[in-house]
Amino acid sequence: KQEVTQIPAALSVPEGENLVLNCSFTDSAIYNLQWFRQDPGKGLTSLLLIQSSQREQTSGRLNASLDKSSGRSTLYIAASQPGDSATYLCAVLSGYSTLTFGKGTMLLVSP
Amino acid sequence: KAGVTQTPRYLIKTRGQQVTLSCSPISGHRSVSWYQQTPGQGLQFLFEYFSETQRNKGNFPGRFSGRQFSNSRSEMNVSTLELGDSALYLCASSLGAVGNTEAFFGQGTRLTVV
Repeated sequence: KQEVTQIPAALSVPEGENLVLNCSFTDSAIYNLQWFRQDPGKGLTSLLLIQSSQREQTSGRLNASLDKSSGRSTLYIAASQPGDSATYLCAVLSGYSTLTFGKGTMLLVSP
Repeated sequence: KAGVTQTPRYLIKTRGQQVTLSCSPISGHRSVSWYQQTPGQGLQFLFEYFSETQRNKGNFPGRFSGRQFSNSRSEMNVSTLELGDSALYLCASSLGAVGNTEAFFGQGTRLTVV
């Protein structure tokens, strides 16, 4: 059974810092990995999708990497801003359209 | 391009009642998945429908059921509500090709059971 773990569970940084969020998964037989952002009480916003054959994806200040063999992914956020404050979720797709999620990293960026 | 639409946004129900939630996927998407999100368990997969057929099901009791219509819209039903069913229910849509599609989520339906 696939299990996804995200470290740290919570992170507080001052504005402008670069930061890394970590995600690990137990079964390397995945099709892709997605990073999402969730604001309190809201739905999920897709940030980046990495196919299993890819090593990384970039979108603006965000960069996600994938090491399928070791079961790890990282989300790098450059020059963090208060508007980046949210919960970040990592999810892996192991079959059909079923995603297995980590518990998330709650990020707070202080002005 | 319209996103995934879930209705209603909020619901308050009494124990023992039943409830129906609705999800309209992105136009052209044939797969709809449902997830339950609670503070303790995080996001858990309920079931997935593709072209009106349930393709996968999570580990939830039979009180949780769903269906998908020919226009890809999906409904989820929970019967005999329990306090523990209070959660944010999220719907995701995707093109549905096995293993190679991006999922897009709606804003969710917040269900409170009293």
